[in-house]
Amino acid sequence: QQPVQSPQAVILREGEDAVINCSSSKALYSVHWYRQKHGEAPVFLMILLKGGEQKGHDKISASFNEKKQQSSLYLTASQLSYSGTYFCGTEHTGNQFYFGTGTSLTVIP
Amino acid sequence: EPEVTQTPSHQVTQMGQEVILRCVPISNHLYFYWYRQILGQKVEFLVSFYNNEISEKSEIFDDQFSVERPDGSNFTLKIRSTKLEDSAMYFCASSERGGRRGDTQYFGPGTRLTVL
Repeated sequence: QQPVQSPQAVILREGEDAVINCSSSKALYSVHWYRQKHGEAPVFLMILLKGGEQKGHDKISASFNEKKQQSSLYLTASQLSYSGTYFCGTEHTGNQFYFGTGTSLTVIP
Repeated sequence: EPEVTQTPSHQVTQMGQEVILRCVPISNHLYFYWYRQILGQKVEFLVSFYNNEISEKSEIFDDQFSVERPDGSNFTLKIRSTKLEDSAMYFCASSERGGRRGDTQYFGPGTRLTVL
């Protein structure tokens, strides 16, 4: 039931792009994306409700493929401030909500 | 900017004791949530609360856990008889309209619970 994220960890140089994937074995109602820095609370990035919908947040955007039960988070021209652990959160019918396994992103100068 | 606050920031307790974690959600928000995060692991959903009742809960949220909104501002999580495995960071979150309406959840800074 817990969505699986890939990759588990990624190291980028400033300015490079990254894609983080989130895959669920159950039909999805919505997908949420969060970023958490070490020792801090998760920060909500965005929610996607409809299949195929893409949303953006500065240079961070996401897509949601309802049919494939997948979502991807796109980080373009990464900045040092993007470093952290990214979690997807998936909402299913029956009011169930699960966080993904997490992806550690490190941006280096 | 309004924010979710949590107290205490760190709670140490003996196994078997009851603890109450407190949260003050953002004032005009209607949906409230508790999550926990065991050190180094993912964030786990515990429960959501709307209109003075639980709207969703996970398998983790068993009879040892309860939530309450005792007044117009506080939202509490009670663990009746703490176990060693309850040691974790507990986050409270709130949202204005709820996740199904595409709404943002704002997280508090967390309470670190240590059970000895």
